[in-house]
Amino acid sequence: DQQVKQNSPSLSVQEGRISILNCDYTNSMFDYFLWYKKYPAEGPTFLISISSIKDKNEDGRFTVFLNKSAKHLSLHIVPSQPGDSAVYFCAASVAGTYKYIFGTGTRLKVLA
Amino acid sequence: DVKVTQSSRYLVKRTGEKVFLECVQDMDHENMFWYRQDPGLGLRLIYFSYDVKMKEKGDIPEGYSVSREKKERFSLILESASTNQTSMYLCASSTGTGTYEQYFGPGTRLTVT
Repeated sequence: DQQVKQNSPSLSVQEGRISILNCDYTNSMFDYFLWYKKYPAEGPTFLISISSIKDKNEDGRFTVFLNKSAKHLSLHIVPSQPGDSAVYFCAASVAGTYKYIFGTGTRLKVLA
Repeated sequence: DVKVTQSSRYLVKRTGEKVFLECVQDMDHENMFWYRQDPGLGLRLIYFSYDVKMKEKGDIPEGYSVSREKKERFSLILESASTNQTSMYLCASSTGTGTYEQYFGPGTRLTVT
């Protein structure tokens, strides 16, 4: 049973436009969420996080939104740049546990 | 900067061989993890360790074992490699407090022929 789902395997966006990556989860006990970016042949790198006590967190061009009632989070990248082309993973964790459950990833392609 | 290193970037082994993948972190992190990444399946947790000599099974431990004799080093062992273990293997570490954000190594692309 996939507790964290990224239903769009890929997304293409024009440079300068907004990229929106989505993530759904089923476990209402999840209370901390991360987004990672992964380039080919490299390990994932941490991008941005959000706690369940917030509904929005912003860091430069990256904003994560959390809708707890819908069990949905999204990552917005504005403006999108060609260097943002990568696979993006969302991950969720229950407080007090060490483990994160990762989604299957969305491949973002930003077209110049 | 947190640094997580993995012993090999690319590895080719034969079916039935015993394979060791090594991971070292330099941030004195308590927790260490081994994942495998496969297309369409994301990152799946194989094993993790929250202290020296302590380990717990993840979601897909079958065919794997681990060893953590020192805090900075976490080894993944494939006792008898099989072709379905061909994958990208990723090691990660995190602190034992706070939000346990994980830092990843560069990965090892293992091919079993």
